Amino acid sequence: AQSVTQPDIHITVSEGASLELRCNYSYGATPYLFWYVQSPGQGLQLLLKYFSGDTLVQGIKGFEAEFKRSQSSFNLRKPSVHWSDAAEYFCAVGPYSGGGADGLTFGKGTHLIIQP
Amino acid sequence: DVKVTQSSRYLVKRTGEKVFLECVQDMDHENMFWYRQDPGLGLRLIYFSYDVKMKEKGDIPEGYSVSREKKERFSLILESASTNQTSMYLCASSRPADQETQYFGPGTRLLVL
Repeated sequence: AQSVTQPDIHITVSEGASLELRCNYSYGATPYLFWYVQSPGQGLQLLLKYFSGDTLVQGIKGFEAEFKRSQSSFNLRKPSVHWSDAAEYFCAVGPYSGGGADGLTFGKGTHLIIQP
Repeated sequence: DVKVTQSSRYLVKRTGEKVFLECVQDMDHENMFWYRQDPGLGLRLIYFSYDVKMKEKGDIPEGYSVSREKKERFSLILESASTNQTSMYLCASSRPADQETQYFGPGTRLLVL
């Protein structure tokens, strides 16, 4: 069965510093990979996704992520964080490439705190 | 832009009540999903649907049922609400041709007393 691990439950970063959120997955085929962000009391917003091609993908709000098949990782990065980036971040892996709407498997999330 | 709306942002119900959570999407997506979100547990899939009148169980379907009579609407039903169903409920939709990218509604925070 597929799974997603986000090893860090909480991360604290100073405003203006760089950020890397870790995501490791277990998947039996070529994965579709996603990062979502959730602001307090809100639904999830898609930041970026990978499904094929260039392993470095760019997303909204200045985020990027790199797919590394050999490490089964899809880490999210941002060169300089802003206070508005404080939120919960979720990594997710897509369903089997054979199709079928069997949902996404989500990690448990990383709570990002921004220090002034 | 895809828009997924949920009928209520906050809901308070009593144990044993029948509860309906409604979700509507306006982008003609085939697939729709219901998740619940709890601290420390992340998102867990309750049910999903890939077509009108079709439904499939997710990871935690017990105590829930769903209805999809129209393509744009997917309802989650708690037949007899219990306190352990107090949670945040998130609806999502997707189109298979879009690499299963899911678009989420704002969520319904349900409190069962």
